[in-house]
Amino acid sequence: KAGVTQTPRYLIKTRGQQVTLSCSPISGHRSVSWYQQTPGQGLQFLFEYFSETQRNKGNFPGRFSGRQFSNSRSEMNVSTLELGDSALYLCASSLEGSTSGRRGEQFFGPGTRLTVL
Amino acid sequence: GQQLNQSPQSMFIQEGEDVSMNCTSSSIFNTWLWYKQDPGEGPVLLIALYKAGELTSNGRLTAQFGITRKDSFLNISASIPSDVGIYFCAGFITGANSKLTFGKGITLSVRP
Repeated sequence: KAGVTQTPRYLIKTRGQQVTLSCSPISGHRSVSWYQQTPGQGLQFLFEYFSETQRNKGNFPGRFSGRQFSNSRSEMNVSTLELGDSALYLCASSLEGSTSGRRGEQFFGPGTRLTVL
Repeated sequence: GQQLNQSPQSMFIQEGEDVSMNCTSSSIFNTWLWYKQDPGEGPVLLIALYKAGELTSNGRLTAQFGITRKDSFLNISASIPSDVGIYFCAGFITGANSKLTFGKGITLSVRP
């Protein structure tokens, strides 16, 4: 079974631009979560989508948004990029958000490394 | 937001040694997970624990879910060079705002 895939792997943008990152979950997984990873803050939760609905959201500004499609693929968008948005953006999929026997078990993709200049 | 406590930030051991890492929280969780991350890659799930007191092994790795539900530990036995990486603990609690909460990670170095 193929793992979680994320595209692109690397991105360089300038301040003020916007960016869209893509994530394809493991086949059969319906929940997709997004995280931002930086050396100073570690792994910070952005949001979770399940069945095309945002089910949970972290403490990030409204510039960060996402969506999920009917095939469970997900995208996240960051508008008006700031230097501090430079980070590794990770997507993780799980079989079900919270009610499966293997609750909480999430599988991560390789990430998209975003650099904002 | 809340983070789990992992310390020290870095550990240096000799190849062949055992190493133990623990993770603590002020809140209870009903799942504890341990991940390893290599440079430039996403975290890989090593072990998942679902019950207080549970002890689970995966090869040379052993992890335990603390009885208070506020801590967990990971032990790596007979370390080898490929054990180098960052080890994260993560906790999960079911509920309206269920999500994974991560520690800041421990960077493990193994001297040959």
